[in-house]
Amino acid sequence: GDSVTQMEGPVTLSEEAFLTINCTYTATGYPSLFWYVQYPGEGLQLLLKATKADDKGSNKGFEATYRKETTSFHLEKGSVQVSDSAVYFCALSDHSKFYFGSGTKLNVKP
Amino acid sequence: NAGVTQTPKFQVLKTGQSMTLQCAQDMNHEYMSWYRQDPGMGLRLIHYSVGAGITDQGEVPNGYNVSRSTTEDFPLRLLSAAPSQTSVYFCASGGRAPDTQYFGPGTRLTVL
Repeated sequence: GDSVTQMEGPVTLSEEAFLTINCTYTATGYPSLFWYVQYPGEGLQLLLKATKADDKGSNKGFEATYRKETTSFHLEKGSVQVSDSAVYFCALSDHSKFYFGSGTKLNVKP
Repeated sequence: NAGVTQTPKFQVLKTGQSMTLQCAQDMNHEYMSWYRQDPGMGLRLIHYSVGAGITDQGEVPNGYNVSRSTTEDFPLRLLSAAPSQTSVYFCASGGRAPDTQYFGPGTRLTVL
């Protein structure tokens, strides 16, 4: 069945450091891919998405590229801020169902 | 425009009790879904609906019932609560999948 695997956290970085959170997926069809972010005590918010191979999603300095050949959708940001501290979820959608990874907690220290 | 609302925010039940978690959206979305979030397991899909009168099972449907009589509302029913159902429950809505989903603030449920 469909599934998403993302790197375990927590990830701790200093402000202005480069961020990569790895995400790989397994799907039988051609899924859409998403990154969601969850701040403490809140629901998930869409961060970015890509709907087909080689698409790049971007938002608020975060980027991820849909790589069909490596079944990956890694999240990157060139310079993180303390306000980026949150839990990040990779997800895929295929035929009306969404599948989420287990989440990666990011801590950014000043 | 309130988005997706969920009630209650917190609930404590005893084993065997029943209850309904409420979810409503005011964005005229066709697609609505329920997830549970457990530590280290991410979000798992319980049930979803692609329109009024249409529901289907997700990954972990056992112990939960849903119905969709209107576009706006998608309640989740626990018929006989068990400690294994202690979790945080999120409702979400969106355009026809695959599309962006908008999440509610969650309900934290504890079953003793």
